[in-house]
This record gives sequence, C-alpha cells and structure tokens, in this order.
Amino acid sequence: GAGVSQSPSNKVTEKGKDVELRCDPISGHTALYWYRQSLGQGLEFLIYFQGNSAPDKSGLPSDRFSAERTGGSVSTLTIQRTQQEDSAVYLCASSRRWGRGNTIYFGEGSWLTVV
Amino acid sequence: GENVEQHPSTLSVQEGDSAVIKCTYSDSASNYFPWYKQELGKGPQLIIDIRSNVGEKKDQRIAVTLNKTAKHFSLHITETQPEDSAVYFCAAGVEGSQGNLIFGKGTKLSVKP
Repeated sequence: GAGVSQSPSNKVTEKGKDVELRCDPISGHTALYWYRQSLGQGLEFLIYFQGNSAPDKSGLPSDRFSAERTGGSVSTLTIQRTQQEDSAVYLCASSRRWGRGNTIYFGEGSWLTVV
Repeated sequence: GENVEQHPSTLSVQEGDSAVIKCTYSDSASNYFPWYKQELGKGPQLIIDIRSNVGEKKDQRIAVTLNKTAKHFSLHITETQPEDSAVYFCAAGVEGSQGNLIFGKGTKLSVKP
C-alpha cells in the first residue's frame, strides 16, 4: 500500500475486555515496529519484527500484551484484560529493513480508550 | 540501554523567528539520529536525520547538528511559519543492528502569526 495502514483508528472498550489492533505495513518492508504514545508523552517502544527473526519483545509492558506477524506482513497487537492505563495511541511503523538509510514510516495510529 | 532526553517540552515563537530543540543521548554506540514531526491526530513523519559521521545537515529551513563527543544533537528551524506548529520528536538508535529507535518525550512547538 501507499503507507502504513492501521485499524481501527479509534476503539473504546470496557475494562477487562480483550482488544486487537491491526497493522498493514508498506509493501516490501520487512521490519515492523509497535510503539505506544500516551497523552502528551513520547513514543514508548513495544515490539519489533525483522523478517523471520525472533521478535524483540523487550518493550512489552506486561504479559497481557502480545503481538504476532503472520506471513511476514500484517501484524496484530493484542491486549488482554484491558486496564484504564492501557488507554493510549498505538502506533505501528515499518521500514525496508533495519539498516543504513532505511527510513521508518509510521501509520496514523489506533486510539484506544478503556472505560 | 539508550536514554534520550529532549528539551524544551514546549516552545512558543513568533512567526519568522528561529526555533531550536535539543536532545541528549546516553549510548555511545548510537549512530543514527532522526527527527520526526507529528501533527495533531496524525502519525509522526520523518523530517530530517543525521548519522554520526557528519556534524551538520541542512534541508531548506531545517538543520540538525550533532556533537558525538558530548552526545547531543539539535534541531534548528529558521524563518518559522504557522504550519511548523506541531510536536517534534528526536530519536537515537544503532543502524545495522536488530534494534529500535528510542524517542525523546517531544517538544510542542507553537508558531504565532
């Protein structure tokens, strides 16, 4: 596609419910990242996928958070038993590969509100 | 791990003035320093980047400087315009390794007409 596509753009969920956020990276990009942005805060790294390598999950805040990337393309970030502190914008990004000269492109984000 | 500090958190300038945003980083292995601009309701967009083999890079009204010894880098916007109003993020990372970018907390720039 023309850019990184994320869905849904907005999601309101009740505390305790599970949510899934989807990311469709730019075609041909092998690297995919998830970041979280809380209101007025910076970008917090969550997880990184590079090709067929094992993902870097070092940023996931708890075991309620997980992500997968099927077929090296689309990724799904899952948050189980959502809490109010999970409310944030979840940004997905992709790059051709992590290496010199490869720009990271961000999607518009999925705004999650837990009530 | 890497830690990136960004200052100021908010910056207000008059149209036509210059704006400077500064960042420091902690990991001497970092060699890639991009700057992103985020407009309200949108994802961050890359505006300029610099690598540790150069000290300065310029693109029209935007310039970035890097002092690797002091581990700091700055964004300079000259002749600011109202459309420059946005949140700006600096980031640091190591190219060529399986890793990720660490971002600063952002600077909200307001350009008053």
